Amino acid sequence: QKEVEQNSGPLSVPEGAIASLNCTYSDRGSQSFFWYRQYSGKSPELIMFIYSNGDKEDGRFTAQLNKASQYVSLLIRDSQPSDSATYLCAVLGGSTLGRLYFGRGTQLTVWP
Amino acid sequence: DARVTQTPRHKVTEMGQEVTMRCQPILGHNTVFWYRQTMMQGLELLAYFRNRAPLDDSGMPKDRFSAEMPDATLATLKIQPSEPRDSAVYFCASRRTQGADNEQFFGPGTRLTVL
Repeated sequence: QKEVEQNSGPLSVPEGAIASLNCTYSDRGSQSFFWYRQYSGKSPELIMFIYSNGDKEDGRFTAQLNKASQYVSLLIRDSQPSDSATYLCAVLGGSTLGRLYFGRGTQLTVWP
Repeated sequence: DARVTQTPRHKVTEMGQEVTMRCQPILGHNTVFWYRQTMMQGLELLAYFRNRAPLDDSGMPKDRFSAEMPDATLATLKIQPSEPRDSAVYFCASRRTQGADNEQFFGPGTRLTVL
């Protein structure tokens, strides 16, 4: 059973702060890692993916991957109220044909 | 602007009725997924197809759920008979290939309520 665990939340940060979202996974053969954002009543949308150890930055978002520790995180700098959403961590299984394994999500609220 | 489409967007039905949800994947995407999302269970994979062939439907209650891809532009998820516990949002998603960074796009979902 491939598990993806996220910090339970909900997470609440003030506007302008750094929001840190964490995810661990059980399958050492996992290849790629994705962060989806889901606004209430909407479908998930991809905001970042990472497949190499280290950091990957895209604007205010930074994904961090540590395969040895089976850990992936998402940092949101200068958080805005519009970042308030549920963030889903997803992992591409190492031995399956394109299937993503999703965590339960972390609800983030950024208050003004 | 390519996107996954799903119909209907909302469905209210009575217990015991048949429900059919449809999905049109993005043109050229050869892998199609059906998910169910509830507050209690989160996002669950029900079934997925590659090149129209079912790869895994182990997440689906077999006695009442069925998923098919009659052609490359249409995926269907059917529940017969429906039960109140089937109330959820059902998402269809598609992606092009198995590639590591190929994005999986979600449709807007079908919100199902079974009374």
